[in-house]
Amino acid sequence: GAVVSQHPSWVICKSGTSVKIECRSLDFQATTMFWYRQFPKQSLMLMATSNEGSKATYEQGVEKDKFLINHASLTLSTLTVTSAHPEDSSFYICSAIDRGRSQPQHFGDGTRLSIL
Amino acid sequence: GQNIDQPTEMTATEGAIVQINCTYQTSGFNGLFWYQQHAGEAPTFLSYNVLDGLEEKGRFSSFLSRSKGYSYLLLKELQMKDSASYLCAVNDYKLSFGAGTTVTVRA
Repeated sequence: GAVVSQHPSWVICKSGTSVKIECRSLDFQATTMFWYRQFPKQSLMLMATSNEGSKATYEQGVEKDKFLINHASLTLSTLTVTSAHPEDSSFYICSAIDRGRSQPQHFGDGTRLSIL
Repeated sequence: GQNIDQPTEMTATEGAIVQINCTYQTSGFNGLFWYQQHAGEAPTFLSYNVLDGLEEKGRFSSFLSRSKGYSYLLLKELQMKDSASYLCAVNDYKLSFGAGTTVTVRA
């Protein structure tokens, strides 16, 4: 149980393109999902907390107009990287917490984004 | 702010035991997690400590001392597949991760 599906797993696109990443909890409902970014050989950095039915909470230094988050249902959150540039190339990972439990966070498989 | 420290790298031989230490200074505390992350993959949950003491799960054990701001992950009977990065993460209403410890298991 506690499976989180993230799609796509790999994206290569041109600079200026907008990219949407989906995060789904497959066998549980998640009122809260998290979006992380990880650069090579660095730790996971929390970008934002996504709450179902309300606005996301962004961490300091993360541009909310560039990284659009939508948490429209208890099983789906999306992250859209708008007008992506090469410096946005990274490994993006989502996680979710089962609404019936407080811990732990279950991670999706991640999306590797490469902007040319 | 959050300050979470763990060693960068460790190497051990197959069948051995390795202990990965993690020290933390955080503004709040609501549990400490250990995750395993293979290269190019997302982290997978290993253990969770919220009270002081030892939690054992098969070959993996995790210890917590809240007064010392200290935890360790113990890996026993090391296997080649245990070669990975191990992340210590402190929960303070959100997770803050350490930089990870890369463990290399040699035959």
